[in-house]
Amino acid sequence: DIQMTQSPSSLSASVGDRVTITCRASQSSSSYLNWYQQKPGKAPKLLIYAASSLQSGVPSRFSGSGSGTDFTLTISSLQPEDFATYYCQQSYSTPFTFGPGTKVDIK
Amino acid sequence: QVQLQQSGPGLVKPSQTLSLTCGISGDSVSSNSAAWNWIRQSPSRGLEWLGRTYYRSKWYNDYAVSVKSRITINPDTSKNQFSLQLNSVTPEDTAVYYCAREADYRPGATTDFDYWGQGTLVTVSS
Repeated sequence: DIQMTQSPSSLSASVGDRVTITCRASQSSSSYLNWYQQKPGKAPKLLIYAASSLQSGVPSRFSGSGSGTDFTLTISSLQPEDFATYYCQQSYSTPFTFGPGTKVDIK
Repeated sequence: QVQLQQSGPGLVKPSQTLSLTCGISGDSVSSNSAAWNWIRQSPSRGLEWLGRTYYRSKWYNDYAVSVKSRITINPDTSKNQFSLQLNSVTPEDTAVYYCAREADYRPGATTDFDYWGQGTLVTVSS
């Protein structure tokens, strides 16, 4: 199984801040890496697929990069509605696996 | 617009069978460009993929090794839905269960979970 790790596990930031979250795979996932946003009591929402492609309807302040084992999600200017938990997920091979999440809260 | 609507009991007794259904609108369970997944989430295990069913000229299933001996995911083409059955549950199976569509139409064969059900909290307790 491909194990996913994320850093940091949590962060505090202010509206307007640039935020970067890192995801690492235990073996190469090529570009088969997705990012999700989850708010309390809700299902995860797809933000980025294939490492760097923006899902339809997702604001352009979200971007993704990376390939192989190291990936990054960047929020260029944090907005109030972006306070949430973010997960990476590899779709390179089954079993599909998720990172443990990064909680972004208000500073 | 694809919508997934989950149904099923929120309380299951230990050793019994957990059964959930996911109704699909806006797509077909028999689609050749999607797969239909079950994923659960708990504080102890995080987001955990359980398995999927999909149709590519015939029906296929993939299951996580951790539940492979206990899980069945079945499509129901007459009702355009799919189901999860998890046998011999224990309190460790307590979690929020989600159904999700896996998009299989992107360039480069990458897939992702682009639509999710609303989630069902299933508690295993006597």
